[in-house]
Amino acid sequence: DAKTTQPPSMDCAEGRAANLPCNHSTISGNEYVYWYRQIHSQGPQYIIHGLKNNETNEMASLIITEDRKSSTLILPHATLRDTAVYYCIVRVPSNTGKLIFGQGTTLQVKP
Amino acid sequence: DTAVSQTPKYLVTQMGNDKSIKCEQNLGHDTMYWYKQDSKKFLKIMFSYNNKELIINETVPNRFSPKSPDKAHLNLHINSLELGDSAVYFCASSQNGGGNYGYTFGSGTRLTVV
Repeated sequence: DAKTTQPPSMDCAEGRAANLPCNHSTISGNEYVYWYRQIHSQGPQYIIHGLKNNETNEMASLIITEDRKSSTLILPHATLRDTAVYYCIVRVPSNTGKLIFGQGTTLQVKP
Repeated sequence: DTAVSQTPKYLVTQMGNDKSIKCEQNLGHDTMYWYKQDSKKFLKIMFSYNNKELIINETVPNRFSPKSPDKAHLNLHINSLELGDSAVYFCASSQNGGGNYGYTFGSGTRLTVV
């Protein structure tokens, strides 16, 4: 699985959009970009994933650059409950594969 | 209606004891996992089972033995507990490698060895 690079921490004002970047310059053609988050003391939570196209669901939007070497997770209106560690993971979904977590980005949403 | 449930939520035990953590998922997923999160907050996969067959067995001491009696259950037994085993253990499940809906994680079991 390709390696990802994320900033260790970010702040965001409550009610504003939180834009979390991820670099994955060695991504291969069949690898997807997945985002998870872990709110303090809870299990990780799946947010969204994509291959090439931008994706949106009820939680967030995922913007993937045309060359697929980077992506941005967007939380459109961050709330205090969005304070968490956000993980960007690149992988080919497979029953024999592993979901490998890096250090992630700690997002602090401030009032 | 909890999707992935682990018991117990907290476990405090003495060194040298044997303990088990249980996990059950009601999502109909075909694969289950155990992850360990240490004090530095790194999440590392330990084991995975696909349809009751062991698929992933990371470099984990053989004091740790997973058991999957059926697709919906994956238990973790730990023998001769050591101080370094103190961590939060997360169970997870997925369907088709987590392709469409990702992995679903339980709320964790905080193990403290004293």
